[in-house]
Amino acid sequence: QVQLQESGPGLVKPSETLSLTCAVSGGSITGYYWSWIRQPPGKGLEWIGYIYYSGSTNYNPSLKTPVTMSVDTSKNQFSLNLSSVTAADTAVYYCARNVGGLRGFDYWGQGTLVTVSS
Amino acid sequence: QSALTQPASVSGSPGQSITISCTGTSNDVGGYNYVSWYQQHPGKAPKLVIYDVSNRPSGVSNRFSGSKSGNTASLTISGLQAEDEAGYFCSSYTTSGTLVFGGGTKLTVL
Repeated sequence: QVQLQESGPGLVKPSETLSLTCAVSGGSITGYYWSWIRQPPGKGLEWIGYIYYSGSTNYNPSLKTPVTMSVDTSKNQFSLNLSSVTAADTAVYYCARNVGGLRGFDYWGQGTLVTVSS
Repeated sequence: QSALTQPASVSGSPGQSITISCTGTSNDVGGYNYVSWYQQHPGKAPKLVIYDVSNRPSGVSNRFSGSKSGNTASLTISGLQAEDEAGYFCSSYTTSGTLVFGGGTKLTVL
């Protein structure tokens, strides 16, 4: 059974960089696309972007915050960086495995709340 | 990229059937058979219940079914049970090569 676990700071100051890592267990990161999705408190889901195990990426152009993703196949994990964050980036952040390229998400992490505040 | 349109809330009694709609455009829902549906209980991660419009992942009850007509996709839950009370979100692949979610629907089991 594939399991995903997000980790990272729960509090980030405005204008700083939000960094999260997703550790994948029970399966290999190789051969799949992996996404980050966020959900502001009480609101809907927003797809942030995905990274393929080879390192190629596809980011949501609607995001105002600059995004970068990376993957470490030796550690079976991938990461998210959002730079120059604002209060609008406060959300629960989920990592997930894609169905195919971008047909949906079949495995999700439990989510981690990141609050942007001074 | 605008979010897909879902009703804010639907309700039904145990044993009944309900349908949740998800309306987009020809650039997303209408253009591809890549609509997914997710169930989300409070404080929990979303769970995939339907992918590729009408396919159920292994382990998902056959009470969940999906369909699509034009730019609108639908999720039907039959034989409603108390445990079905949750939030439901749709998503679709888009012509821009991205993915867009619906705003979400709260299902109340009366």
